[in-house]
Amino acid sequence: QSVLTQPPSVSGAPGQRVTFSCTGSSSNIGAGYDVHWFQQLPGTAPKLLIYDNINRPSGVPDRFSGSKSDTSASLAITGLRAEDEASYYCQSYDSSLSGVVFGGGTKLTVL
Amino acid sequence: QVQLQESGPGLVKPSETLSLTCSVSRGSIINYYWSWIRQSPGKGLEWIGRVYDSGSTNYNPSLKSRVTISVDTSKNQFSLKLSSVNAADTAVYFCARHRLLYSGTSGLDYWGQGTLVTVSS
Repeated sequence: QSVLTQPPSVSGAPGQRVTFSCTGSSSNIGAGYDVHWFQQLPGTAPKLLIYDNINRPSGVPDRFSGSKSDTSASLAITGLRAEDEASYYCQSYDSSLSGVVFGGGTKLTVL
Repeated sequence: QVQLQESGPGLVKPSETLSLTCSVSRGSIINYYWSWIRQSPGKGLEWIGRVYDSGSTNYNPSLKSRVTISVDTSKNQFSLKLSSVNAADTAVYFCARHRLLYSGTSGLDYWGQGTLVTVSS
């Protein structure tokens, strides 16, 4: 059971917009800690996609966007492409655990 | 571009200690937090713990009794030891850097490629 809750799967057709949710609690996201998002392609290391809730590292397309509200955060992908098929993880910090926490991950299927 | 590389045995016997090292190149280990993360086959990411250049550490409470993370600034490396391993510890182990100087809550921007460690007799 992950501290941050993510739906196991999401799907969408090419060109569509999909969103990923990440739900936490008052000791992590709700406490004001930033949320970061990662994309993991099969057999590779996770790649930082969004940091500090809304920011994209250099090289990440603006099709990817993040938001945060209260005890949850969201990642959105617009103009869905086949190469976006991957697993997506959210990460934050939890003050009760004094450590980094991850969501369980959401697998994106591009139909 | 900072690079991280995990190294260590790919096979560990049950009840023994898993030992991995992460070598950092093209960047300094100083003033950053560094984490170990693992991923069991077909599962999600699990944070193991982190270390600062001073040697200060924080561990996942579920693994704390078995984990030791240390840093060697002279070699620009940090290490993971996990004792009393069993089959459930079979996973790909990643090392990663926290993005911001002095911040252990920031996103993980550079990752090693990961190394598979199998626990089996």
